[in-house]
Amino acid sequence: QVLLQESGPGLVKPSQTLTLSCAVSGGSFSSGSSSWTWLRQAPGKGLEWIGWIYYSGRTYYSSTLKSRATFSIDTSKNQFSLHLTSVSAADTAVYYCARGLSYFASGTTHYYFDFWGQGIPVTVSS
Amino acid sequence: SHDLTQPPSVSVSPGQTASITCSGDLLDYKDVSWYQQKAGQSPVMVIYQNKRRPSGIPERFSGSSSGSTATLTISGTQALDEADYYCQAWDSSTANVLFGGGTRLTVL
Repeated sequence: QVLLQESGPGLVKPSQTLTLSCAVSGGSFSSGSSSWTWLRQAPGKGLEWIGWIYYSGRTYYSSTLKSRATFSIDTSKNQFSLHLTSVSAADTAVYYCARGLSYFASGTTHYYFDFWGQGIPVTVSS
Repeated sequence: SHDLTQPPSVSVSPGQTASITCSGDLLDYKDVSWYQQKAGQSPVMVIYQNKRRPSGIPERFSGSSSGSTATLTISGTQALDEADYYCQAWDSSTANVLFGGGTRLTVL
Protein backbone atom coordinates (compact mmCIF):
# COMPACT_ATOMS: atom_id res chain seq x y z
CA GLN A 1 0.00 0.00 0.00
CA VAL A 2 1.40 3.37 -1.06
CA LEU A 3 0.22 6.46 0.80
CA LEU A 4 0.42 9.94 -0.67
CA GLN A 5 -0.30 13.19 1.14
CA GLU A 6 -0.47 16.62 -0.49
CA SER A 7 0.45 19.80 1.36
CA GLY A 8 0.59 23.47 0.53
CA PRO A 9 -1.34 26.72 0.66
CA GLY A 10 -5.07 26.73 0.13
CA LEU A 11 -5.09 30.26 -1.22
CA VAL A 12 -2.76 31.86 -3.75
CA LYS A 13 -2.90 35.33 -5.28
CA PRO A 14 -3.12 35.79 -9.04
CA SER A 15 0.22 35.97 -10.86
CA GLN A 16 2.02 34.24 -7.98
CA THR A 17 3.63 30.82 -7.98
CA LEU A 18 1.77 27.88 -6.48
CA THR A 19 3.96 25.31 -4.77
CA LEU A 20 2.56 22.00 -3.58
CA SER A 21 4.33 19.00 -2.13
CA CYS A 22 3.43 15.33 -1.95
CA ALA A 23 4.88 13.04 0.72
CA VAL A 24 5.05 9.37 -0.18
CA SER A 25 5.17 6.49 2.27
CA GLY A 26 4.76 2.74 2.06
CA GLY A 27 7.65 1.96 -0.21
CA SER A 28 8.39 2.13 -3.95
CA PHE A 29 9.45 5.79 -3.97
CA SER A 30 12.86 4.88 -5.32
CA SER A 31 11.46 2.48 -7.91
CA GLY A 32 12.45 3.52 -11.38
CA SER A 33 9.12 2.35 -12.76
CA SER A 34 6.99 4.66 -10.61
CA SER A 35 6.03 7.99 -12.11
CA TRP A 36 5.16 10.50 -9.40
CA THR A 37 2.26 12.36 -10.85
CA TRP A 38 0.30 15.57 -10.43
CA LEU A 39 -3.31 15.94 -11.56
CA ARG A 40 -6.02 18.46 -10.86
CA GLN A 41 -9.78 18.87 -10.99
CA ALA A 42 -11.44 22.25 -11.37
CA PRO A 43 -14.74 22.72 -9.51
CA GLY A 44 -17.45 20.64 -11.15
CA LYS A 45 -15.09 19.49 -13.89
CA GLY A 46 -13.22 16.37 -14.87
CA LEU A 47 -9.68 15.18 -14.20
CA GLU A 48 -6.68 16.85 -15.83
CA TRP A 49 -3.17 15.41 -15.95
CA ILE A 50 -0.40 17.91 -15.21
CA GLY A 51 2.59 15.61 -15.55
CA TRP A 52 5.03 13.43 -13.64
CA ILE A 53 8.54 13.07 -12.38
CA TYR A 54 10.61 9.96 -11.93
CA TYR A 55 12.97 9.21 -9.07
CA SER A 56 15.80 9.94 -11.52
CA GLY A 57 14.48 13.48 -11.95
CA ARG A 58 13.23 12.93 -15.50
CA THR A 59 10.02 14.83 -16.10
CA TYR A 60 7.02 14.82 -18.43
CA TYR A 61 4.56 17.69 -18.64
CA SER A 62 1.16 18.08 -20.23
CA SER A 63 1.24 20.14 -23.38
CA THR A 64 -1.21 22.64 -21.89
CA LEU A 65 0.79 23.40 -18.74
CA LYS A 66 4.40 22.72 -19.69
CA SER A 67 5.19 26.41 -19.99
CA ARG A 68 4.20 27.10 -16.36
CA ALA A 69 4.72 23.84 -14.47
CA THR A 70 7.93 22.52 -12.97
CA PHE A 71 8.41 19.41 -10.86
CA SER A 72 11.12 18.70 -8.32
CA ILE A 73 11.91 15.69 -6.20
CA ASP A 74 13.57 15.34 -2.80
CA THR A 75 14.71 11.75 -2.51
CA SER A 76 15.92 12.25 1.07
CA LYS A 77 12.37 13.10 2.18
CA ASN A 78 10.42 10.78 -0.15
CA GLN A 79 8.68 13.86 -1.47
CA PHE A 80 8.03 15.54 -4.79
CA SER A 81 6.70 18.98 -5.59
CA LEU A 82 4.78 21.00 -8.15
CA HIS A 83 5.59 24.61 -8.93
CA LEU A 84 3.02 26.39 -11.08
CA THR A 85 3.87 29.96 -12.11
CA SER A 86 1.68 32.90 -13.04
CA VAL A 87 -1.48 31.39 -11.62
CA SER A 88 -4.91 32.74 -12.43
CA ALA A 89 -8.47 31.94 -11.40
CA ALA A 90 -8.43 29.19 -14.04
CA ASP A 91 -5.94 27.30 -11.86
CA THR A 92 -8.42 27.04 -8.99
CA ALA A 93 -8.85 23.31 -8.47
CA VAL A 94 -8.32 20.33 -6.22
CA TYR A 95 -4.78 19.12 -6.85
CA TYR A 96 -3.97 15.44 -6.51
CA CYS A 97 -0.71 13.56 -6.44
CA ALA A 98 -0.69 9.94 -7.53
CA ARG A 99 1.60 7.08 -8.40
CA GLY A 100 1.75 6.19 -12.06
CA LEU A 101 2.83 2.85 -13.43
CA SER A 102 3.57 1.83 -17.00
CA TYR A 103 3.75 -1.38 -18.99
CA PHE A 104 4.52 -2.31 -22.54
CA ALA A 105 1.98 -4.31 -24.51
CA SER A 106 0.86 -4.65 -28.11
CA GLY A 107 3.86 -2.66 -29.25
CA THR A 108 3.18 0.44 -27.22
CA THR A 109 3.38 1.88 -23.71
CA HIS A 110 0.40 2.27 -21.39
CA TYR A 111 0.04 4.18 -18.12
CA TYR A 112 -2.33 4.08 -15.17
CA PHE A 113 -2.56 5.56 -11.67
CA ASP A 114 -3.01 3.09 -8.86
CA PHE A 115 -2.67 5.19 -5.70
CA TRP A 116 -3.91 8.74 -5.15
CA GLY A 117 -3.59 11.30 -2.41
CA GLN A 118 -6.68 12.75 -0.77
CA GLY A 119 -6.33 15.98 -2.74
CA ILE A 120 -5.75 19.57 -1.67
CA PRO A 121 -8.09 22.37 -2.70
CA VAL A 122 -6.38 25.49 -4.02
CA THR A 123 -8.12 28.77 -4.69
CA VAL A 124 -6.54 31.54 -6.74
CA SER A 125 -7.95 34.85 -5.60
CA SER A 126 -6.78 38.25 -4.48
CA SER B 1 -5.41 15.16 -31.25
CA HIS B 2 -7.41 12.38 -29.66
CA ASP B 3 -10.39 12.49 -27.31
CA LEU B 4 -12.14 10.02 -25.05
CA THR B 5 -15.93 10.33 -25.03
CA GLN B 6 -18.19 9.15 -22.23
CA PRO B 7 -21.92 9.59 -21.72
CA PRO B 8 -22.51 12.31 -19.12
CA SER B 9 -24.88 10.17 -17.10
CA VAL B 10 -26.10 6.63 -16.67
CA SER B 11 -28.92 5.48 -14.42
CA VAL B 12 -29.48 2.00 -13.09
CA SER B 13 -31.79 0.31 -10.61
CA PRO B 14 -30.25 -1.45 -7.61
CA GLY B 15 -29.26 -5.01 -8.45
CA GLN B 16 -29.20 -4.37 -12.18
CA THR B 17 -26.21 -4.10 -14.51
CA ALA B 18 -24.71 -0.73 -15.37
CA SER B 19 -22.59 -0.22 -18.47
CA ILE B 20 -20.46 2.86 -19.01
CA THR B 21 -18.75 3.34 -22.35
CA CYS B 22 -15.62 5.21 -23.35
CA SER B 23 -15.04 5.83 -27.05
CA GLY B 24 -12.13 7.14 -29.07
CA ASP B 25 -10.00 6.01 -31.98
CA LEU B 26 -7.05 5.97 -29.57
CA LEU B 27 -8.58 2.87 -27.99
CA ASP B 28 -7.97 0.86 -31.15
CA TYR B 29 -4.42 0.42 -29.89
CA LYS B 30 -4.33 1.80 -26.33
CA ASP B 31 -5.48 0.15 -23.12
CA VAL B 32 -7.88 1.98 -20.83
CA SER B 33 -8.10 2.37 -17.07
CA TRP B 34 -11.22 3.29 -15.12
CA TYR B 35 -11.51 5.38 -11.96
CA GLN B 36 -14.38 5.75 -9.53
CA GLN B 37 -14.77 9.08 -7.75
CA LYS B 38 -17.38 9.40 -5.03
CA ALA B 39 -18.56 12.82 -3.97
CA GLY B 40 -15.88 14.71 -2.08
CA GLN B 41 -13.32 11.91 -2.40
CA SER B 42 -10.25 11.26 -4.50
CA PRO B 43 -10.43 8.88 -7.46
CA VAL B 44 -9.93 5.14 -6.99
CA MET B 45 -8.74 2.89 -9.80
CA VAL B 46 -11.25 0.09 -10.40
CA ILE B 47 -9.95 -1.34 -13.70
CA TYR B 48 -6.61 -1.18 -15.48
CA GLN B 49 -5.26 -2.73 -18.66
CA ASN B 50 -8.84 -2.82 -20.00
CA LYS B 51 -10.04 -5.62 -17.77
CA ARG B 52 -7.74 -6.18 -14.81
CA ARG B 53 -9.17 -5.51 -11.38
CA PRO B 54 -6.90 -4.23 -8.58
CA SER B 55 -6.95 -6.07 -5.30
CA GLY B 56 -9.75 -4.90 -3.07
CA ILE B 57 -12.09 -3.97 -5.94
CA PRO B 58 -15.29 -6.06 -5.88
CA GLU B 59 -15.78 -8.69 -8.57
CA ARG B 60 -18.94 -6.94 -9.76
CA PHE B 61 -16.65 -4.45 -11.53
CA SER B 62 -15.42 -5.65 -14.90
CA GLY B 63 -13.97 -4.10 -18.02
CA SER B 64 -13.78 -4.90 -21.69
CA SER B 65 -12.60 -3.29 -24.87
CA SER B 66 -13.44 -3.85 -28.52
CA GLY B 67 -12.28 -1.67 -31.36
CA SER B 68 -12.53 1.97 -30.38
CA THR B 69 -14.86 1.45 -27.41
CA ALA B 70 -14.10 0.35 -23.86
CA THR B 71 -16.84 -0.58 -21.42
CA LEU B 72 -16.97 -0.62 -17.64
CA THR B 73 -19.64 -2.98 -16.39
CA ILE B 74 -20.98 -3.08 -12.86
CA SER B 75 -23.05 -6.17 -12.17
CA GLY B 76 -25.54 -6.21 -9.33
CA THR B 77 -25.11 -2.46 -8.87
CA GLN B 78 -25.36 -1.24 -5.30
CA ALA B 79 -26.23 2.17 -3.91
CA LEU B 80 -22.63 2.60 -2.81
CA ASP B 81 -21.53 2.40 -6.46
CA GLU B 82 -23.11 5.78 -7.13
CA ALA B 83 -20.20 7.96 -8.26
CA ASP B 84 -18.49 9.62 -11.19
CA TYR B 85 -16.50 7.26 -13.39
CA TYR B 86 -13.61 8.32 -15.63
CA CYS B 87 -11.78 6.42 -18.33
CA GLN B 88 -8.12 7.17 -19.03
CA ALA B 89 -5.52 6.28 -21.66
CA TRP B 90 -2.08 7.41 -22.78
CA ASP B 91 -1.85 9.29 -26.06
CA SER B 92 1.58 8.55 -27.47
CA SER B 93 1.15 10.97 -30.36
CA THR B 94 0.99 13.96 -28.03
CA ALA B 95 2.69 12.36 -25.00
CA ASN B 96 -0.31 13.25 -22.87
CA VAL B 97 -2.58 11.39 -20.50
CA LEU B 98 -6.19 11.64 -21.63
CA PHE B 99 -9.26 11.37 -19.44
CA GLY B 100 -12.81 11.00 -20.59
CA GLY B 101 -15.21 13.69 -19.47
CA GLY B 102 -16.67 11.43 -16.80
CA THR B 103 -19.97 9.63 -16.35
CA ARG B 104 -22.19 10.16 -13.36
CA LEU B 105 -23.73 6.87 -12.32
CA THR B 106 -27.01 7.22 -10.49
CA VAL B 107 -28.49 4.26 -8.68
CA LEU B 108 -32.21 4.93 -8.53
